[in-house]
Amino acid sequence: GEDVEQSLFLSVREGDSSVINCTYTDSSSTYLYWYKQEPGAGLQLLTYIFSNMDMKQDQRLTVLLNKKDKHLSLRIADTQTGDSAIYFCAESSGSARQLTFGSGTQLTVLP
Amino acid sequence: DGGITQSPKYLFRKEGQNVTLSCEQNLNHDAMYWYRQDPGQGLRLIYYSQIVNDFQKGDIAEGYSVSREKKESFPLTVTSAQKNPTAFYLCASSPDRGTYNEQFFGPGTRLTVL
Repeated sequence: GEDVEQSLFLSVREGDSSVINCTYTDSSSTYLYWYKQEPGAGLQLLTYIFSNMDMKQDQRLTVLLNKKDKHLSLRIADTQTGDSAIYFCAESSGSARQLTFGSGTQLTVLP
Repeated sequence: DGGITQSPKYLFRKEGQNVTLSCEQNLNHDAMYWYRQDPGQGLRLIYYSQIVNDFQKGDIAEGYSVSREKKESFPLTVTSAQKNPTAFYLCASSPDRGTYNEQFFGPGTRLTVL
């Protein structure tokens, strides 16, 4: 079945850029998503990218997609302490109306 | 305010008891989902429903049951057959927008079985 993988932890200094990486296996993925989860809360959609794009920028967020390598990344510029959270990548494909999530990356922003 | 509500936020049960988690949405979304979250394992799909009176098993449906009698409600029952029920449970819903499947999440219910 489809698989989405992420590293579990990332620490950065406040003001630096953070880059969270994700790899996926489903070559028929149509959309890829980044969700943010704050402690004890549900997930919130941050951004998404359609599979025929290779980059999308939204304020401090930049998403890069390498479809050939099935690699997705999320760059957060000028990372703040409020960005500390778990970040999930997810993919959807076909008509199954399901998302496949990665295991999540815990981002810790150090002062 | 439109959104998804889950209740209660924390739930404690004794081993061997069934328990039902509530999920309600007023977003007029057709599809609803239940996920289980364990540390370091991401979200695993338990059940989903694309329309009223219909639902499908996800990856880890054993020991769980659902119903979808109304569009806005999708309760999840954790039965005594679920071997390790202590977890954080998340409900989500999504509108039908073809292959774009943005899911909107509730705040979650943390279930602890003693």
